[in-house]
Amino acid sequence: AQTVTQSQPEMSVQEAETVTLSCTYDTSESDYYLFWYKQPPSRQMILVIRQEAYKQQNATENRFSVNFQKAAKSFSLKISDSQLGDAAMYFCASGLMNYGGSQGNLIFGKGTKLSVKP
Amino acid sequence: DGGITQSPKYLFRKEGQNVTLSCEQNLNHDAMYWYRQDPGQGLRLIYYSQIVNDFQKGDIAEGYSVSREKKESFPLTVTSAQKNPTAFYLCASSWGTASNEKLFFGSGTQLSVL
Repeated sequence: AQTVTQSQPEMSVQEAETVTLSCTYDTSESDYYLFWYKQPPSRQMILVIRQEAYKQQNATENRFSVNFQKAAKSFSLKISDSQLGDAAMYFCASGLMNYGGSQGNLIFGKGTKLSVKP
Repeated sequence: DGGITQSPKYLFRKEGQNVTLSCEQNLNHDAMYWYRQDPGQGLRLIYYSQIVNDFQKGDIAEGYSVSREKKESFPLTVTSAQKNPTAFYLCASSWGTASNEKLFFGSGTQLSVL
């Protein structure tokens, strides 16, 4: 069974600084995907970034990047130049590639609440 | 604007009552999903549908039912068999059924028990 663990319930960062959110996962499969979703106070989930496990290169989306360590089963999210709008809950998730279609097997962590101080 | 619309935003259920949460999307997405979110917890999958007139149970389907009569609509019924229905419910959709598809979410429905 897949599990996703986010060990930091809350994090805080100063505006314009960099912060890293941790995520570890466990799966016996070799092909899978990893995601970071953001849930702002509006509670609507938004995809931040995704990573295919077969790709060695870390994914990057503007100020957001990941540090994917497949052997360690670690998938941390780095937010550079933090902005007030980055304040939100961040969820790490994993899904199997060969599930037979759909994200019906997507497993979410419990989330990390990020606060951004002006 | 394209997106996913969930209604109502807040819903109250009396004991023994069935209630239905609405989810409509105009993104022309094939796949739709229902998730439950409890305080301090991640999302857990209730049901998902990859195509019209077909749906599969997720991890916590007991006490819930769904239908997918139209591509655009995926309503969720919380039945009286669900003994702890108080939670935040999120509907989502994706273009296709590949495992790396981006999920698009609605703004959710908060269900509470009176």
